Amino acid sequence: SQELEQSPQSLIVQEGKNLTINCTSSKTLYGLYWYKQKYGEGLIFLMMLQKGGEEKSHEKITAKLDEKKQQSSLHITASQPSHAGIYLCGADSGFGNEKLTFGTGTRLTIIP
Amino acid sequence: DAGITQSPRHKVTETGTPVTLRCHQTENHRYMYWYRQDPGHGLRLIHYSYGVKDTDKGEVSDGYSVSRSKTEDFLLTLESATSSQTSVYFCAISVGGNSPLHFGNGTRLTVT
Repeated sequence: SQELEQSPQSLIVQEGKNLTINCTSSKTLYGLYWYKQKYGEGLIFLMMLQKGGEEKSHEKITAKLDEKKQQSSLHITASQPSHAGIYLCGADSGFGNEKLTFGTGTRLTIIP
Repeated sequence: DAGITQSPRHKVTETGTPVTLRCHQTENHRYMYWYRQDPGHGLRLIHYSYGVKDTDKGEVSDGYSVSRSKTEDFLLTLESATSSQTSVYFCAISVGGNSPLHFGNGTRLTVT
């Protein structure tokens, strides 16, 4: 089965600083989904990547999928308190969205 | 919020008792999923449904059953709850294909 490893597991960043979260797969990624979760709430969909080398941005968050389609990164520019939460990556390893695998998450804390 | 309601939001039950969690959607999406989220394990798929009365097992289906008699409702039943089933349960929906999953706000279940 596919395994997704996220790094780091937790991150404490000063407000205004940039940061990167990584998601690495043991298998080729046919679809990579980034979600954000706030404590006690559900997951909010951020972005989806499918093609090798693809890059998408939304506001100050940029996600990339490497050419080999085994690693994705999520980059936040000029972090704000609203960025705090848990970021999870989910992957389709070729079996469709019925069998998505999720990483264990990266807990992001923003300090003033 | 993608029109997904989970009930109850919190439940405490005793070992050996039956428990049913409900997921209700107003989006008319074909696919519905039940995940559990545990520290160190991330999100793991329990069961999913690809249509009324059409369901399949996920990664951690032992001890759980599901039913979908209407498009909008997907029920998760623990026939005889055990302490290992203490978890946060999330329902998700999607239209299928490579479309992203949209999650409910979760049900926190404690089995004592």
